[in-house]
Amino acid sequence: AQSVTQPDIHITVSEGASLELRCNYSYGATPYLFWYVQSPGQGLQLLLKYFSGDTLVQGIKGFEAEFKRSQSSFNLRKPSVHWSDAAEYFCAVGVFTSGTYKYIFGTGTRLKVLA
Amino acid sequence: DSGVTQTPKHLITATGQRVTLRCSPRSGDLSVYWYQQSLDQGLQFLIQYYNGEERAKGNILERFSAQQFPDLHSELNLSSLELGDSALYFCASSPPGRGFFTDTQYFGPGTRLTVL
Repeated sequence: AQSVTQPDIHITVSEGASLELRCNYSYGATPYLFWYVQSPGQGLQLLLKYFSGDTLVQGIKGFEAEFKRSQSSFNLRKPSVHWSDAAEYFCAVGVFTSGTYKYIFGTGTRLKVLA
Repeated sequence: DSGVTQTPKHLITATGQRVTLRCSPRSGDLSVYWYQQSLDQGLQFLIQYYNGEERAKGNILERFSAQQFPDLHSELNLSSLELGDSALYFCASSPPGRGFFTDTQYFGPGTRLTVL
C-alpha cells in the first residue's frame, strides 16, 4: 500500500540556520510529490510540487526540495530559516490507484524556530 | 487569505446527529476538495468535485456525503456522528487546469467539528 513517512515529528532550529525536513514515500511508480505548510489556525498552503523533469524543485518562501528516486525521498530544504517559518509541514503524494485519484499525507513535522 | 471560505468556523454537536459544512471556492475555480484532519487519522483526502460532478474519492466514510451546486459552492454532510468524527474539515479549490494533481489547491481556514 502507498504510504508517506515523515520521520521527524518535531524539529527545532535557530533562526538563520539551515533546515532539512525528511519525507519518504512508498509507491510502485513515481508519484506526484508535494510539500504543504500549515501555520497555527490556518489551512494548508502549497510550498512546491514535483511531477517530472528537474529533480530539484524551487518553491515559495525560499524553500526547495529534491526528488531522489533511488531513495524514494523528497526532502524539503531552506538555507536560512526565518522565525515566520515556524509551522507544521506536510509531505504528500498523489497517486492513481484502484481507478481513482488519491492524496496521501505524511503525519507532519512541526518546526520550532529559536530566536 | 486564500479566497476560499468555509462556514461555520466551529460546530459542536452530539453523537448521532447530522451536520452540514459549507464551502465557497475562489472565484473562477471549478474544483472543490474536502479533507479531514484529526489527531487519530492525520490529514486525509475525502472527496473532490469538479463543476458539479464527483471526480475523485478518497477515504470518505459512507456516513459522509458531499455535493457541489450549480453556483459551485459545496457542502459536506456528515451523519450519524461519532466521537471519532471530531476533526478539522478543510475545503480547497483549484482552477481548471491540466490535470488532477497539477492543479494548485487553495485551502480554506477549516471548520472545527466537535462531537460530544
